[in-house]
Amino acid sequence: DAEITQSPRHKITETGRQVTLACHQTWNHNNMFWYRQDLGHGLRLIHYSYGVQDTNKGEVSDGYSVSRSNTEDLPLTLESAASSQTSVYFCASSAGTGGTNEQFFGPGTRLTVL
Amino acid sequence: GDSVTQMEGPVTLSEEAFLTINCTYTATGYPSLFWYVQYPGEGLQLLLKATKADDKGSNKGFEATYRKETTSFHLEKGSVQVSDSAVYFCAPGGGADGLTFGKGTHLIIQP
Repeated sequence: DAEITQSPRHKITETGRQVTLACHQTWNHNNMFWYRQDLGHGLRLIHYSYGVQDTNKGEVSDGYSVSRSNTEDLPLTLESAASSQTSVYFCASSAGTGGTNEQFFGPGTRLTVL
Repeated sequence: GDSVTQMEGPVTLSEEAFLTINCTYTATGYPSLFWYVQYPGEGLQLLLKATKADDKGSNKGFEATYRKETTSFHLEKGSVQVSDSAVYFCAPGGGADGLTFGKGTHLIIQP
């Protein structure tokens, strides 16, 4: 069965370190998204991609970057981790363009920045 | 851009009670509308959707009707179960950056 996976599931790091969170989907979806989930804020879009070599900034992109070198993967990099980036991060993918198609979510990565 | 208003809760109900979670949105044009559910420790999963005005989405006993005139997509269930305890997100879609999520409604069902 097709799926979307994230790794690691839990990560503790220190302020100032670079951190990369992995996202891998086997749906062969063109669109991939990264969100962060924080109490009182719901899900906020960090970055998204509509295909290989395409990346776009979302609502809360400062301090994050992504790259899309193949269809299956969209790693999220925190260039210099800050305590404000402690959060739960979700990756999602969808088939079509725009927002009319269902997004499939990964299980999430809980990141703690000390 | 798009925005969503939904009660955050927690909403606490007894088993077999009737559930309504209100959702209103602002969006350009006529987006598709989605309800997602997040069970403890898991990612979000689609609960139901409606793609045009007056459509009714339904799944697992939950229903929601796309009301264009009131820009609403309220979630209802006639008789909730303990297993329905979760966080529910309303989300209009159709913009260039995909879905806009509400802050989520935490639902607690007591036996």
